[in-house]
Amino acid sequence: EVQLVQSGAEVKKPGESLRMSCQASGYTFDSYWIAWVRQLPGQGLEWVGIIYPRDSGVEYSPSMEGHVTISVDQSINTAYLKWNSLKASDSGIYYCARPSLPGVVNVLHKWGQGTVLTVSS
Amino acid sequence: IQLTQSPSFLSASVGERVTITCRASQAIGSSFAWYQQKPGKAPRLLIYDVFQLDGGVPSRFSGSGSGTEFTLTITSLQPEDFATYYCQQLHLYPLTFGGGTKVEIK
Repeated sequence: EVQLVQSGAEVKKPGESLRMSCQASGYTFDSYWIAWVRQLPGQGLEWVGIIYPRDSGVEYSPSMEGHVTISVDQSINTAYLKWNSLKASDSGIYYCARPSLPGVVNVLHKWGQGTVLTVSS
Repeated sequence: IQLTQSPSFLSASVGERVTITCRASQAIGSSFAWYQQKPGKAPRLLIYDVFQLDGGVPSRFSGSGSGTEFTLTITSLQPEDFATYYCQQLHLYPLTFGGGTKVEIK
């Protein structure tokens, strides 16, 4: 069974760093892109970026580029979303998700459970 | 590419036919999907490639459209369909979502 299991809820202060994770199982990790999608409190879905584990190729949303870093560790089938300096406006729910087909960026078929991030002084 | 969903909110009764529209700021071919999200849950893929139903999605859901205008239709709304629906384009980066349509019980 394909599963994406995300790390637990986080409470941070502005300016702090954070790395959240998404561990995949049940499929060949490096064959499928993994996307990150965020949902600000009470708001809609926003695409953050996507990474191809096989070569670590990444595409970021222009609104997120430079503020977050997406990476993978193939040895443990895990994707990461990292901030060096959090802002209160980063608070929300972050989902990782996998497309339906290997090697292509297409619809997000399998989703993690989400990680709730709260950034507050 | 901007995606504009309408309406942003609709109130409907069980058994009603519901239509949600998503308009793109430029043509996006068939690289288009609909998702359903219930409170406290991750989104669920409903429809891909404009009109293809994902596995297990009831046939009362259908998608149509082309170019810049796309539609999600639910024929005979069921209690489990009350949720928020999002469209997404996968034609160009960034892979944007629409603002969402919340479907509530009348």
